[in-house]
Parts: sequence; C-alpha cells; structure tokens
Amino acid sequence: GESVGLHLPTLSVQEGDNSIINCAYSNSASDYFIWYKQESGKGPQFIIDIRSNMDKRQGQRVTVLLNKTVKHLSLQIAATQPGDSAVYFCAGGSQGNLIFGKGTKLSVKP
Amino acid sequence: GAVVSQHPSWVICKSGTSVKIECRSLDFQATTMFWYRQFPKQSLMLMATSNEGSKATYEQGVEKDKFLINHASLTLSTLTVTSAHPEDSSFYICSARGQAGGYNEQFFGPGTRLTVL
Repeated sequence: GESVGLHLPTLSVQEGDNSIINCAYSNSASDYFIWYKQESGKGPQFIIDIRSNMDKRQGQRVTVLLNKTVKHLSLQIAATQPGDSAVYFCAGGSQGNLIFGKGTKLSVKP
Repeated sequence: GAVVSQHPSWVICKSGTSVKIECRSLDFQATTMFWYRQFPKQSLMLMATSNEGSKATYEQGVEKDKFLINHASLTLSTLTVTSAHPEDSSFYICSARGQAGGYNEQFFGPGTRLTVL
C-alpha cells in the first residue's frame, strides 16, 4: 500500500552542525510534501513544504530537497540548535490526503 | 500560522465510558477537519476526514460507530470515543484546513492524550 517512510529512526548531531533527515515515499502521484516538527506531547508544527514541480526549497535555516526519480526527499537543518531537538515527520499528499512517515528523532548534543 | 485548539489536553477514564474531544479553529473557518491518532513512538495515522455539515469519511479499519465525529460548525469538530477500552489509549490530534487552504494551510491542534483504565 501507499507509504511514506523515513530511513533512520534516530539522529544525533552536535550543536552547530548541519542535520540531514531523509524520507522515502511510494506513491508517485504525490504532488505535495511537508516536513513537520513534533516536540514531546505536542501536535505537529509545519516547517517547510515543497510541490512536486520543484526540487529544492529553502526556508530559514532549513532546506528541503525532492528527488522524484527515486521518490526521496530530505530536510536539511543548518547550524542545528538544542531547540531543534524533536521528532521530524515527512508527509506526502495527493488529492487532499496527507500520509505521514514514521518520524526521525533528532537529538542535539551541546 | 492559524491556531487550532483541543480540549481537553488530557483525559483519564474508566473502561466502558465515552469521552468527547473538541477541536476548534480559533481564528479561521475550517471547512475540513482531520482526526489523527498517534501511538507512542509512532507516526500520525489519519482516522477520518470531516467536512462541515456532512458525514465524516473514515479511513479503512476505523470503526465509525466507535469514533463518532461531528463537524457542526466551521470552527468546531468533536470526536467521541464511545465505550472506550484500554487499547483506545492514545494521543488524538485534530487538524483544520480553511476554505481556500491547500495542504500547507492544514494546521494541527496540540493533541489530547487519552488514557483508558
């Protein structure tokens, strides 16, 4: 069935380093992708999105890359800070429905 | 971004009782609301999608008679877990999308943690 998954369940980085979180999706009809951040006990927060007609989009300290050929997207966080520690989910959308990946827990070491 | 609230933020109930969770869009009108369930260390699973004034569309495997959804107004949707059992214990998250909103206009509530004893 349709799925959106992440490559690694956990990622530990040093404060100040760049973080890269990867995600794979199965539905080639997905035309929209979002990265969410979820802190413990809270709902997801929107980080950045990208449409399938783009392969890169930049925000503040974050960049999302989309490779439709291999159905892969990544989230890059520059100069990772302790406040970035959270679980990150990618979600893929088609016809109004979002499917969430499993999540990667990012831990930032001071 | 827009604000979506949920009430209560947590609830503990006895097995067999029913629990109602409210989801409100505070500063916009939400024509579509989504209800998700999230078990510990797992991802969000969509339970149902509701449009204001019409019946909710449930995902496969979600019992519509157990999880009653009412989207009576453009700012309020409720999820009632009927005859709750311990296996229903989970984190329930709602999301709201405005009339002209696309995917990125889907805002999430803070979640409600349900514990069934």
